[in-house]
Amino acid sequence: SQTIHQWPATLVQPVGSPLSLECTVEGTSNPNLYWYRQAAGRGLQLLFYSVGIGQISSEVPQNLSASRPQDRQFILSSKKLLLSDSGFYLCAWKHRLPTEKLFFGSGTQLSVL
Amino acid sequence: GNSVTQMEGPVTLSEEAFLTINCTYTATGYPSLFWYVQYPGEGLQLLLKATKADDKGSNKGFEATYRKETTSFHLEKGSVQVSDSAVYFCALSGGNRDDKIIFGKGTRLHILP
Repeated sequence: SQTIHQWPATLVQPVGSPLSLECTVEGTSNPNLYWYRQAAGRGLQLLFYSVGIGQISSEVPQNLSASRPQDRQFILSSKKLLLSDSGFYLCAWKHRLPTEKLFFGSGTQLSVL
Repeated sequence: GNSVTQMEGPVTLSEEAFLTINCTYTATGYPSLFWYVQYPGEGLQLLLKATKADDKGSNKGFEATYRKETTSFHLEKGSVQVSDSAVYFCALSGGNRDDKIIFGKGTRLHILP
C-alpha cells in the first residue's frame, strides 16, 4: 500500500536561518507531488507542485523553493526564513489523473521566531 | 485562473439539524470537484468527489452535486451528528489537463449535542 512520510513534525527556527522539509512517498511511482501551507483564515494555499523529477511549478511568489531530486521525494526549502513563513506545511501526492484524490502527509508545524 | 469560494465559518448547528456548506468555483475546461474533511487532531482526507456535471458524490450521509450551470458544489447532510464537527474544504482539480489542486479557505463546523 502507498504511504507518505513528512518530517519533521514540528520545527522552530530563527529568522534568517535556512529551511529544509522533506517528503517521501512509498508504494507508487510517477506520483504528482504537492506542497501546501495551511494558515488560519486562509485555508490551504498551494505553494508548489510537481509532475516529474526536476519539474516544479510555483504558485505563489515567496521566500520558498521546492525540488524533486527523485521520483518520490519532494523537498521544500528556504535560504533565509522570514517571520511570515510560519505555518503548517502539508505535503501530498496523487495519481496522475485529474479525477484522483490527494493523499496528505501528517504536516510540519513551522514556527519562525 | 481557477478558484474556489466557500462560505465563511464557523458554522454552529444542533445535532440532527440540516447542513449546507456552499461552494462555488471558477475554472476553465471540465474540473473534478472534491470535498475534503479535517477532523480534530487528524489529517486531511477525502470526503466525496464528483468528476463531471450532474454527478452526485456521497459518503457518510453527506452529498454534493456538481452543478455546471451554477458552478457550484454545495455540501449537504440531512441530519448532522456531533462527530461531524470538523473543518470542511471544497477543492477542484484539473480542467484542461491541469494538475493543480485548488482549495477553498475551509469551513469550520461545530455540532452541539
